[in-house]
Amino acid sequence: LAKTTQPISMDSYEGQEVNITCSHNNIATNDYITWYQQFPSQGPRFIIQGYKTKVTNEVASLFIPADRKSSTLSLPRVSLSDTAVYYCLVGPGTGGFKTIFGAGTRLFVKA
Amino acid sequence: DTEVTQTPKHLVMGMTNKKSLKCEQHMGHRAMYWYKQKAKKPPELMFVYSYEKLSINESVPSRFSPECPNSSLLNLHLHALQPEDSALYLCASTAQSGEAFFGQGTRLTVV
Repeated sequence: LAKTTQPISMDSYEGQEVNITCSHNNIATNDYITWYQQFPSQGPRFIIQGYKTKVTNEVASLFIPADRKSSTLSLPRVSLSDTAVYYCLVGPGTGGFKTIFGAGTRLFVKA
Repeated sequence: DTEVTQTPKHLVMGMTNKKSLKCEQHMGHRAMYWYKQKAKKPPELMFVYSYEKLSINESVPSRFSPECPNSSLLNLHLHALQPEDSALYLCASTAQSGEAFFGQGTRLTVV
């Protein structure tokens, strides 16, 4: 499974756009990139998944360059409630794969 | 129903007790997981069940015993635990897309 590297923590202010970059240099051809959000004492929650280029949903956008060795999660106009830990995971896109979490990025949104 | 339900939410047990954690999902997912999460650390994979068979055991001590009675249920039987086993225990299931759905977890305290 591809190892991922993310910044340990990030600070932002309400209303700003936040970009969290994840490095995954040894991503395999059949690997997808998935991001999860976790609040304290809760289970992680799926945010977005992509394979290449750009994916957007109602919550976030995911940018993946052509070489797929990194990806960037973009959260538009963050609010205080976006304060959480964000995990980038890389693995096969079909169900049943071994989900290994990296250290994650602790995002703190200030008023 | 897109929920993974875990019971109990909190559990305090002595080192000589036997207890069980329960996880249930009705999304038809055929892969289910147990994770352990210590404070300020990422979730750590313990077991993976695929089509009701144990497919991955991440070298977990035998005092943790998983069981998958049917495709909707996953149990984790606990016996002779140590104080360092105190943690948040998370259950998850994955869709064919690879998206993982997590329960809210069981906060376990071993005294």
